[in-house]
Amino acid sequence: ETGVTQTPRHLVMGMTNKKSLKCEQHLGHNAMYWYKQSAKKPLELMFVYNFKEQTENNSVPSRFSPECPNSSHLFLHLHTLQPEDSALYLCASSHVGTGGAVLVEAFFGQGTRLTVV
Amino acid sequence: QKEVEQDPGPLSVPEGAIVSLNCTYSNSAFQYFMWYRQYSRKGPELLMYTYSSGNKEDGRFTAQVDKSSKYISLFIRDSQPSDSATYLCAMNTGNQFYFGTGTSLTVIP
Repeated sequence: ETGVTQTPRHLVMGMTNKKSLKCEQHLGHNAMYWYKQSAKKPLELMFVYNFKEQTENNSVPSRFSPECPNSSHLFLHLHTLQPEDSALYLCASSHVGTGGAVLVEAFFGQGTRLTVV
Repeated sequence: QKEVEQDPGPLSVPEGAIVSLNCTYSNSAFQYFMWYRQYSRKGPELLMYTYSSGNKEDGRFTAQVDKSSKYISLFIRDSQPSDSATYLCAMNTGNQFYFGTGTSLTVIP
């Protein structure tokens, strides 16, 4: 399998549930990202991990909790979400040089369509 | 002011038309400029990227960057119904990517 794989593709959860989104990249990249995509809005960066270290947390509510156990896997743990959190959640990977600058473009997974009821 | 501005459309053209998609940006530190295509219910896929001002061509697609005007364009020649999608411009500085809202394109057979 190649590229960036996200599971599940679709998720419906209640506001009191706890669930996790999974992302795996097979590209040998060392940076991974979570984005939120809502209708009519630009992609919203949520979290960035370089070399397994979180380098960005873009003022994301604590009900979203990322985990990056290694440079190939990224999780987004969800708990007590709100209906406005319903969106497409996209994982991406890229390769960053030792100076911290991106060396290649971002590659995206297919996304998880999340609906909070 | 947003970092990246992109007209969301929608844009509707007849098959065979030349399509022009554009973005403007405000940050002169942006280094790479990219265009992504996103079909409904799918993740964005990279179409083209370029590093410097000028034109880059790949088949029916041409990406153009004008750093002095902070303006980038994507041209699609001989547009096909299969080109119907949302096109997102993106640019990066450091380890972060900045995206436009995307332009929805429909090519009518």
